[in-house]
Amino acid sequence: GAVVSQHPSWVICKSGTSVKIECRSLDFQATTMFWYRQFPKQSLMLMATSNEGSKATYEQGVEKDKFLINHASLTLSTLTVTSAHPEDSSFYICSARWTGRRNLGGYGYTFGSGTRLTVV
Amino acid sequence: AQSVTQLGSHVSVSEGALVLLRCNYSSSVPPYLFWYVQYPNQGLQLLLKYTTGATLVKGINGFEAEFKKSETSFHLTKPSAHMSDAAEYFCAVGPDAGNKLTFGGGTRVLVKP
Repeated sequence: GAVVSQHPSWVICKSGTSVKIECRSLDFQATTMFWYRQFPKQSLMLMATSNEGSKATYEQGVEKDKFLINHASLTLSTLTVTSAHPEDSSFYICSARWTGRRNLGGYGYTFGSGTRLTVV
Repeated sequence: AQSVTQLGSHVSVSEGALVLLRCNYSSSVPPYLFWYVQYPNQGLQLLLKYTTGATLVKGINGFEAEFKKSETSFHLTKPSAHMSDAAEYFCAVGPDAGNKLTFGGGTRVLVKP
């Protein structure tokens, strides 16, 4: 229960192009999703909080025009890396918050499997 | 504000030995605490969590953790390490006012045969 699917698992793109990453909650409705970036051998860095039907809240220092987040439905949030450059190469992970599932302890966060982005 | 400190960025244990990963947190409200495991090039998988109730929490793969409010700790243990336990482990506290989790820096576990 509380499954999150993230696609693609990996993507290689040319510098200057845009890449879209999808995060879907498969068996629950996620009003709040989160997007993280992870550098090698480091912890997760929160980029933004995505709320269904409203604008995302970006963390300080994250360029909202470069990392476009859309949360148009209760089961889908997307992250689009616009005009990607090699420095955007990283591992991106989404997460969804869920509540009310007693068989799972009532409250939690489920993570996607991550997307390895390489910009060449 | 919430914060998490994981003592030791790397831990090396022998197969069959005790695994102990330390996590201390800071929170101005009663915390929910989580331990996640991450294998290379994968997302985070929940090992266990504390929300309310029993302070000794059992998780998957033989792991358990104890919430100690007086020590603001939530250390993770496993009595006998297995080679498959080699991974990165993250402790997290939340939610904050924005429903966000705050992660520790992670501890990489190496299991020696």
